[in-house]
Amino acid sequence: AQKITQTQPGMFVQEKEAVTLDCTYDTSDPSYGLFWYKQPSSGEMIFLIYQGSYDQQNATEGRYSLNFQKARKSANLVISASQLGDSAMYFCAMRGEGGQFYFGTGTSLTVIP
Amino acid sequence: ETGVTQTPRHLVMGMTNKKSLKCEQHLGHNAMYWYKQSAKKPLELMFVYSLEERVENNSVPSRFSPECPNSSHLFLHLHTLQPEDSALYLCASSQYASIRQSTDTQYFGPGTRLTVL
Repeated sequence: AQKITQTQPGMFVQEKEAVTLDCTYDTSDPSYGLFWYKQPSSGEMIFLIYQGSYDQQNATEGRYSLNFQKARKSANLVISASQLGDSAMYFCAMRGEGGQFYFGTGTSLTVIP
Repeated sequence: ETGVTQTPRHLVMGMTNKKSLKCEQHLGHNAMYWYKQSAKKPLELMFVYSLEERVENNSVPSRFSPECPNSSHLFLHLHTLQPEDSALYLCASSQYASIRQSTDTQYFGPGTRLTVL
């Protein structure tokens, strides 16, 4: 069965510091994709970053990077130089070979000035 | 207009009302999705459409009725809802419903926050 686990319901980080949001997954599919989304209080889910299961290097998109450890089945999101606008819910998701997306329960991040 | 749009953004309805949620995507995608997001629960996939044909229905109650007239538009018709149906309803689209390209991701609309009285 496919499953995404986010164990941190809430996180705090000082402005300009880096923060890591944890995500572990469970799948038996040999090929899959891992995604992170940001959901501000307005409700829209904003796509941040993608990592393919066969990608050799960790994905990076600006201040976002994905720490992909395949053997541990983890795909942690690292946000560098946090900004006040980063305060939001963050969701980890996985897409297996069947095509369906599976989402975690999310982590609420608060950036403190 | 760009991306995925949803209307209305907020909706309050009584249990006997009939209303519809609308979603439109301007990305040229072939697959569209309805999700329900309740507080402190993972996103629940409700319906998946691929090229206007429904490919998945995750045992959603019949009081929710989807309609996909073309690949750019998706509706969710609501009737005789219950208070527990109050939630954020998110529409999303992706290039394909099945995984042909590992980079294919979902893009979401802003959601409709539904309150059932």
